[in-house]
Amino acid sequence: GAGVSQSPRYKVAKRGQDVALRCDPISGHVSLFWYQQALGQGPEFLTYFQNEAQLDKSGLPSDRFFAERPEGSVSTLKIQRTQQEDSAVYLCASSLATGNTIYFGEGSWLTVV
Amino acid sequence: GENVGLHLPTLSVQEGDNSIINCAYSNSASDYFIWYKQESGKGPQFIIDIRSNMDKRQGQRVTVLLNKTVKHLSLQIAATQPGDSAVYFCAENMRGSTLTFGKGTMLLVSP
Repeated sequence: GAGVSQSPRYKVAKRGQDVALRCDPISGHVSLFWYQQALGQGPEFLTYFQNEAQLDKSGLPSDRFFAERPEGSVSTLKIQRTQQEDSAVYLCASSLATGNTIYFGEGSWLTVV
Repeated sequence: GENVGLHLPTLSVQEGDNSIINCAYSNSASDYFIWYKQESGKGPQFIIDIRSNMDKRQGQRVTVLLNKTVKHLSLQIAATQPGDSAVYFCAENMRGSTLTFGKGTMLLVSP
């Protein structure tokens, strides 16, 4: 596709529910990133993939957060047993290779009630 | 962590003025810097980037200046338009690692 595509765009989850957020990176992009953005704040790094390898997951806030990219293209960010503090925009980004321009999707807006 | 609230630094300008948005970055080893524009309800949009071997780079209506001595980055927007109203973030990157974002500045352009 022309840009990074994320779905769903909006998700309301009840506390304790599991959610899965999908990211389709720009075709051919090797690097894929997940960021979390709270209201009024800058994006905060969660995790990074190069192809199917998860090279850095140091930003994941707890073991309830899990990301995968099994075939080196589409990625899924899963949040188990959601809590209210998980409410945020989850941004996916991709780049052609390490050190190249990083392009962001429109984000998935998660509200936990 | 500390709740800094929703009070972003704000720059208000008139349409047609030049705007300068500043950013102090944290890591002296960072070698790649990017400015992003984020409109309400949208993801960050790439504007312009600069590598550490340069001190100035120009795009269409935008110029980025890098001062490595004081770890300072600025974005200059010429002839600012109402469509430029958004939150602007600088981001730094070290040797191809992940981007670290600054706190953001809200630009408000009045017609």
